Amino acid sequence: NAGVMQNPRHLVRRRGQEARLRCSPMKGHSHVYWYRQLPEEGLKFMVYLQKENIIDESGMPKERFSAEFPKEGPSILRIQQVVRGDSAAYFCASSPLSVGGYEQYFGPGTRLTVT
Amino acid sequence: ELKVEQNPLFLSMQEGKNYTIYCNYSTTSDRLYWYRQDPGKSLESLFVLLSNGAVKQEGRLMASLDTKARLSTLHITAAVHDLSATYFCAVDIRNNDMRFGAGTRLTVKP
Repeated sequence: NAGVMQNPRHLVRRRGQEARLRCSPMKGHSHVYWYRQLPEEGLKFMVYLQKENIIDESGMPKERFSAEFPKEGPSILRIQQVVRGDSAAYFCASSPLSVGGYEQYFGPGTRLTVT
Repeated sequence: ELKVEQNPLFLSMQEGKNYTIYCNYSTTSDRLYWYRQDPGKSLESLFVLLSNGAVKQEGRLMASLDTKARLSTLHITAAVHDLSATYFCAVDIRNNDMRFGAGTRLTVKP
């Protein structure tokens, strides 16, 4: 059973470009979470999604950031018009169910560098 | 606003010594998780604590949860170099929606 997959692992964008980060959850997992980690800091929650639904987006910046988890295919975190402050590691996690104390399983992360 | 506070944030230990990392949180929750992160790597699940009084042990690490005090501890016994990493606690605020502490960066010196 493959783990959580993220791609790309490293992404370099110039200021003003768009960044698309992909996350394929573990097989059988229907819940996806995105986190951002700045260098030397902890994980900041961004968004929690189920298939075709956003459950909690309280951690998402109001502008330029969006996320989706379509019925088919991976979850996508999209950052429009990137700025230097967006440089960070973005981790995706998945879990099988929302109730019952299932921990989240993390992907390897996408390290975004904005030049 | 929910707060998940870990202390210490930085911990330097000698091999063979014992120490405890603390995780305090400000909301009602009966589920707490501990993760380990090595530099440049992803997060690895260590413990899942699902009820008040839960205690789990794996090797030199032991985690406990006191939901009434809103406190979890991660105890390190006879530290070894391989335990050097950053340790995060995460509080389940509702239905597996988690919030993380800032992390405790542990360095174990020979």
